[in-house]
Amino acid sequence: TQLLEQSPQFLSIQEGENLTVYCNSSSVFSSLQWYRQEPGEGPVLLVTVVTGGEVKKLKRLTFQFGDARKDSSLHITAAQPGDTGLYLCAGVRIIQGAQKLVFGQGTRLTINP
Amino acid sequence: DAGVIQSPRHEVTEMGQEVTLRCKPISGHDYLFWYRQTMMRGLELLIYFNNNVPIDDSGMPEDRFSAKMPNASFSTLKIQPSEPRDSAVYFCASSVYRDSNQPQHFGDGTRLSIL
Repeated sequence: TQLLEQSPQFLSIQEGENLTVYCNSSSVFSSLQWYRQEPGEGPVLLVTVVTGGEVKKLKRLTFQFGDARKDSSLHITAAQPGDTGLYLCAGVRIIQGAQKLVFGQGTRLTINP
Repeated sequence: DAGVIQSPRHEVTEMGQEVTLRCKPISGHDYLFWYRQTMMRGLELLIYFNNNVPIDDSGMPEDRFSAKMPNASFSTLKIQPSEPRDSAVYFCASSVYRDSNQPQHFGDGTRLSIL
């Protein structure tokens, strides 16, 4: 059962365009994290959003957490080839003191020069 | 600083063989996680440890899979006997929990192919 639905799964656009990746769930999470994964490497954390409605910016990347803490989006402005990679959202549940992550399927992003 | 170290990076073996994957977490981290990543199912949590004690193994697919953490600096994930459907990239991650903002630090994974 996939608790987090990410869309689109694949996205190929030209350099300079804008894009949005969505992460949706019917479940409420303590927080939501976005990771980026390069080929042959493990995921690396980009940001954590905690409060419903929270917006965080990381240079050209804007992350938003839904008011009900069930969904999130990642918006990239003026995409560059260096943004190419696999983007993963992960819902966070705190269980017995541990941070248990539920990952979406990922969005494989390709930015063409 | 050394990150999470996994070995081997690649493993190719025939079905029926025993496979052992190894992980060295970041020093001082008290949580260790094992994940499996496939195209079909994405990244799935298999098991996690707190202070070397297995806390939740509900993600372990079946009895052929077992994991141990004999000390704070070493963990293994064993598959015996291995099957072709076990082919995947297996990741180990570690973290120190203070609040939900803390990241899990992932190793670079072991790419496992069962022929």
